[in-house]
Amino acid sequence: KAGVTQTPRYLIKTRGQQVTLSCSPISGHRSVSWYQQTPGQGLQFLFEYFSETQRNKGNFPGRFSGRQFSNSRSEMNVSTLELGDSALYLCASSLRSRTDTQYFGPGTRLTVL
Amino acid sequence: AQTVTQSQPEMSVQEAETVTLSCTYDTSESDYYLFWYKQPPSRQMILVIRQEAYKQQNATENRFSVNFQKAAKSFSLKISDSQLGDAAMYFCAYRSAVRGGSEKLVFGKGTKLTVNP
Repeated sequence: KAGVTQTPRYLIKTRGQQVTLSCSPISGHRSVSWYQQTPGQGLQFLFEYFSETQRNKGNFPGRFSGRQFSNSRSEMNVSTLELGDSALYLCASSLRSRTDTQYFGPGTRLTVL
Repeated sequence: AQTVTQSQPEMSVQEAETVTLSCTYDTSESDYYLFWYKQPPSRQMILVIRQEAYKQQNATENRFSVNFQKAAKSFSLKISDSQLGDAAMYFCAYRSAVRGGSEKLVFGKGTKLTVNP
């Protein structure tokens, strides 16, 4: 079974621009979570989607948004980029519920100049 | 809110030796899961081992085992017969199992493990 895939792997943007990151979960997985990883703050939860509905959201400004499609693929969008948004963005998928383990993708490295 | 603490920012071990990474957590919940994830330089986060809080038996996966002390809220990872490929950042993580609770993973800051040949 193919693992979680994320595209693109690397992105360079400038302040004020917006960006969309994509995540394809493991086949059959219906839950997708997003995390931001930075050297200073570590790994922080962004949001979680299940069956196209956002179930949980972390403590991030409204510039960060996401969605999930009927095939469970998910996208996250960051508008009006700031330098502090430079990070590794990780996507994780799980089958369905809180009893299931989350499996991570390779991440998208976003650099904001 | 739940917190996870890894008190060892860096650890090193000789190849073939055993090393233990520490993790403590704080929660008022009685039902939860604990995980150890490994993140090598490639940045891919890989699940090492998982422990259900309701299980008293410590989880084991080949050379990896945990010492789960629920009362002490401690969850350490023991790596036996360390190999060069074990070198990575290791993250301890907590996840609620309470109905209606968040499914997010709460991570510690990580421990960088170096394996010396």
